[in-house]
Amino acid sequence: RKEVEQDPGPFNVPEGATVAFNCTYSNSASQSFFWYRQDCRKEPKLLMSVYSSGNEDGRFTAQLNRASQYISLLIRDSKLSDSATYLCVVNDDYKLSFGAGTTVTVRA
Amino acid sequence: DTGVSQNPRHKITKRGQNVTFRCDPISEHNRLYWYRQTLGQGPEFLTYFQNEAQLEKSRLLSDRFSAERPKGSFSTLEIQRTEQGDSAMYLCASRRQGNTGELFFGEGSRLTVL
Repeated sequence: RKEVEQDPGPFNVPEGATVAFNCTYSNSASQSFFWYRQDCRKEPKLLMSVYSSGNEDGRFTAQLNRASQYISLLIRDSKLSDSATYLCVVNDDYKLSFGAGTTVTVRA
Repeated sequence: DTGVSQNPRHKITKRGQNVTFRCDPISEHNRLYWYRQTLGQGPEFLTYFQNEAQLEKSRLLSDRFSAERPKGSFSTLEIQRTEQGDSAMYLCASRRQGNTGELFFGEGSRLTVL
């Protein structure tokens, strides 16, 4: 079983739509969680950390469910600029493990 | 620019040749990582340094791969006797001490083995 698994998508949504997707992780002792964004042929960049109580950053909402070992990301009011691959990242001690990514395409 | 720097950005080589990539992390970051990424996949962990100490090496890394960080600053990743399956983007990243800090990536070194 992979350490981090994601729905690969792609999710094709119109501008203004809401899109949400999940990620599951295998190690129940994982300590911290993140969503990274990766644009085509670019390096990954931190989108947001994921806190136990859930957190928002503008149009982005992240949730963590430790009991079921999944993390979610919701994007409201999608913009064309949100088109990217979203990588779920799980931190076990010093090591960060990445999912394969969920591709989101926002169309005009 | 004080971000993570990698070079060369692109390397095309023939099978069987050796290649070396260099990474210069953000100066105050003591943790340095190497990842490999192929098309349609997320970055796969290869190895990790805390200062000059290599603390973990993935099972993905065969004996043909070696990484060093001699003075706890820049790092090199060498691949000996390259194979076509080594073709990938090699990403270096760094972060500060602690487990909640952001990981900063370089732009990567793309290897093509012919």
